[in-house]
Amino acid sequence: GNSVTQMEGPVTLSEEAFLTINCTYTATGYPSLFWYVQYPGEGLQLLLKATKADDKGSNKGFEATYRKETTSFHLEKGSVQVSDSAVYFCALATGGFKTIFGAGTRLFVKA
Amino acid sequence: GAVVSQHPSRVICKSGTSVKIECRSLDFQATTMFWYRQFPKQSLMLMATSNEGSKATYEQGVEKDKFLINHASLTLSTLTVTSAHPEDSSFYICSADNQGLSQETQYFGPGTRLLVL
Repeated sequence: GNSVTQMEGPVTLSEEAFLTINCTYTATGYPSLFWYVQYPGEGLQLLLKATKADDKGSNKGFEATYRKETTSFHLEKGSVQVSDSAVYFCALATGGFKTIFGAGTRLFVKA
Repeated sequence: GAVVSQHPSRVICKSGTSVKIECRSLDFQATTMFWYRQFPKQSLMLMATSNEGSKATYEQGVEKDKFLINHASLTLSTLTVTSAHPEDSSFYICSADNQGLSQETQYFGPGTRLLVL
């Protein structure tokens, strides 16, 4: 069946460090891929998405590229800020809105 | 942007009682809402898909008589945990689609933490 695997956290970085959170997926067909972010005490928010191979999603300095050959959708940011501290979820959807989430990766950014 | 609210945000109840959780889309109409359950340090797991005016579609392994879902209007879906037991303690999250903005994008509520004693 379809599944999403993302790196375990927590990830702790200093401000302005480079961030990578790995995400790989298993799916039949051609899923859309997403990164959601959950800030403390809030609901999940869509961070970025990509709907086909080689698409790059980007938002707020974050980006991820849909790599069909490696079934990956790694999240990157060149310079993190304290305000980026949150839990990040990789997810996929096939056909409509039914979405499968990874376990989430907690990011702590220190000043 | 699209906003989804949940009420209550936190509830503690005694074993055997029923608990109702509301999910509302505040500034858009949602034909479809979803209910998820999240255990500590684990993924969100889809429990059921709630369609306005029709019966909910439950995922395999989810007891429909235990988790009653009602989607009476385009802005409100409710999840009732009937005869709750300690193993039902979890974080319950709803989401709603807003096809007017973007397909395949869900808008999530802040979640409801349920603790059954």
